[in-house]
Amino acid sequence: AQKITQTQPGMFVQEKEAVTLDCTYDTSDPSYGLFWYKQPSSGEMIFLIYQGSYDQQNATEGRYSLNFQKARKSANLVISASQLGDSAMYFCAGNKLTFGGGTRVLVKP
Amino acid sequence: NAGVTQTPKFRVLKTGQSMTLLCAQDMNHEYMYWYRQDPGMGLRLIHYSVGEGTTAKGEVPDGYNVSRLKKQNFLLGLESAAPSQTSVYFCASSYPQGYEQYFGPGTRLTVT
Repeated sequence: AQKITQTQPGMFVQEKEAVTLDCTYDTSDPSYGLFWYKQPSSGEMIFLIYQGSYDQQNATEGRYSLNFQKARKSANLVISASQLGDSAMYFCAGNKLTFGGGTRVLVKP
Repeated sequence: NAGVTQTPKFRVLKTGQSMTLLCAQDMNHEYMYWYRQDPGMGLRLIHYSVGEGTTAKGEVPDGYNVSRLKKQNFLLGLESAAPSQTSVYFCASSYPQGYEQYFGPGTRLTVT
């Protein structure tokens, strides 16, 4: 079984600042992957970034990057230079089709 | 390219009624999934399919049935709706499991 935990139910961030969203996972598989999705208030789920367990470097996609620490079993999402449009729910998910409970981010102008 | 579409977008059912949710994808994905999302929570997997004619149970399959008669379509059925099935239902598709999923816009179902 694969368990995904997001411990931050919600957080505020000032526009243009960086924010880190926590995600920890529990799996016995040596090969696994972790995804981050964004869910704006409109409700759709949008894929942001992926990290594989064998990837040598932390994944980056534009303003999104993953702080992947295998020893701590964490895959934290970092959003740099926050924008008002980043206000949304963010979900961490594993490749075994399990999702964390989500973190709501509200960007303040 | 429509991606993943879901029909209907909204539905209200009375307890005991039945209905079918339709999911269609035009990306030639092998894998398709049905999730439910309850208020303030993450997604939970109901059923999934790894190819035409195959289905498998997810985390919360009770009260639901699915069928994948065509590669591009994945149907979710509720035979006898219960208030506990009030939720937002998302369909998704992907290349093999482990690739990012593409989600439909969701169906908001209320059972009274």
